[in-house]
Amino acid sequence: AQSVTQPDIHITVSEGASLELRCNYSYGATPYLFWYVQSPGQGLQLLLKYFSGDTLVQGIKGFEAEFKRSQSSFNLRKPSVHWSDAAEYFCAVGARSNDYKLSFGAGTTVTVRA
Amino acid sequence: DSGVTQTPKHLITATGQRVTLRCSPRSGDLSVYWYQQSLDQGLQFLIQYYNGEERAKGNILERFSAQQFPDLHSELNLSSLELGDSALYFCASSVAGYNEQFFGPGTRLTVL
Repeated sequence: AQSVTQPDIHITVSEGASLELRCNYSYGATPYLFWYVQSPGQGLQLLLKYFSGDTLVQGIKGFEAEFKRSQSSFNLRKPSVHWSDAAEYFCAVGARSNDYKLSFGAGTTVTVRA
Repeated sequence: DSGVTQTPKHLITATGQRVTLRCSPRSGDLSVYWYQQSLDQGLQFLIQYYNGEERAKGNILERFSAQQFPDLHSELNLSSLELGDSALYFCASSVAGYNEQFFGPGTRLTVL
């Protein structure tokens, strides 16, 4: 069964500093990987996705993520955080053999301090 | 705005009751997924429909059912509601199973 682990429940970062959110997945075949962001009271917005090809993917809002098969990781990064980046971030994995349904990590809450 | 709409936005009801949540996918999307988000369980996949047919089932209770209609909108029916069913229910849609899913704003269900 596929599963996703986000080791950090909460991260606090200063505005302008860099941000890295960790995601580890467990799945036998090549998964489809996603990062979503959820602002308070809002739905989930897709930040970026990895299906195949280049292991460094660019997303919206200045985010990028790198797929590392050897480490079963798909970490999300942003070089310079803005106050509007305060939200909860979810890593998700899907796979053809599992009908593409998404399994989500528990989420990482990001707080941005001035 | 993802293009996925869900109604109602909020729903407050009592234990034992039945409710229906509605989802309209993005134009052109054939797949609809339902997820439940709660504090203790996180985001859990419930069920998927593709072009009117059930495609996959997750941790969906027997008291819950869903369907997708010919116009591709979907409804999630929750019956014999319990306090523990209080959660955010999200609908997502995609062009086909192997594409990214776009989420609606959710329906917040409160069971009193």
